[in-house]
Amino acid sequence: GQNIDQPTEMTATEGAIVQINCTYQTSGFNGLFWYQQHAGEAPTFLSYNVLDGLEEKGRFSSFLSRSKGYSYLLLKELQMKDSASYLCAVGDSNYQLIWGAGTKLIIKP
Amino acid sequence: DVKVTQSSRYLVKRTGEKVFLECVQDMDHENMFWYRQDPGLGLRLIYFSYDVKMKEKGDIPEGYSVSREKKERFSLILESASTNQTSMYLCASTPLTGLGPGANVLTFGAGSRLTVL
Repeated sequence: GQNIDQPTEMTATEGAIVQINCTYQTSGFNGLFWYQQHAGEAPTFLSYNVLDGLEEKGRFSSFLSRSKGYSYLLLKELQMKDSASYLCAVGDSNYQLIWGAGTKLIIKP
Repeated sequence: DVKVTQSSRYLVKRTGEKVFLECVQDMDHENMFWYRQDPGLGLRLIYFSYDVKMKEKGDIPEGYSVSREKKERFSLILESASTNQTSMYLCASTPLTGLGPGANVLTFGAGSRLTVL
């Protein structure tokens, strides 16, 4: 079967760095996506990886290892507004997205 | 920016009622999707559409139907609402299908939170 695993909840301190992991098993691979979802709001696109390596976008970076079925989202210089859920999704062989349950990130002052 | 608008943010319905959830996108996207989101679960695809009058079942189509009479509008219909359909419903669209983030990045509406009593 197809499966995406990510931690349910993480806590970090304002100004610190946090890494949210995502492991996947899917039939085929057509890219890995990270979305951010604030409570009560729609998910918004953060990053996309299709090749191995690190993609950096400001304070956020996303890493992919296809051979290990593994990705992480790295958030630096954490701000209170980064408190949200972070959703990992993988495109399968039919380009349909398989979603993880999301990681709720709590930022403390 | 692409905008996806869902007509109702909050709905309360009774068991057995027919429910219509409307979604409109304004950027001429080809593909439209309906997901439901429940605590502790990933987004689950109900139905999607690649073109006008075309629809494809997702992972959990039972108890739902859809309509896409115009390119910009994709409606989700609950023929006879049940309490297990209480959920957050998210509509989304993408321009194309294929490789690359531009083709597959979903733009979501704000969601419709449905409670069935």
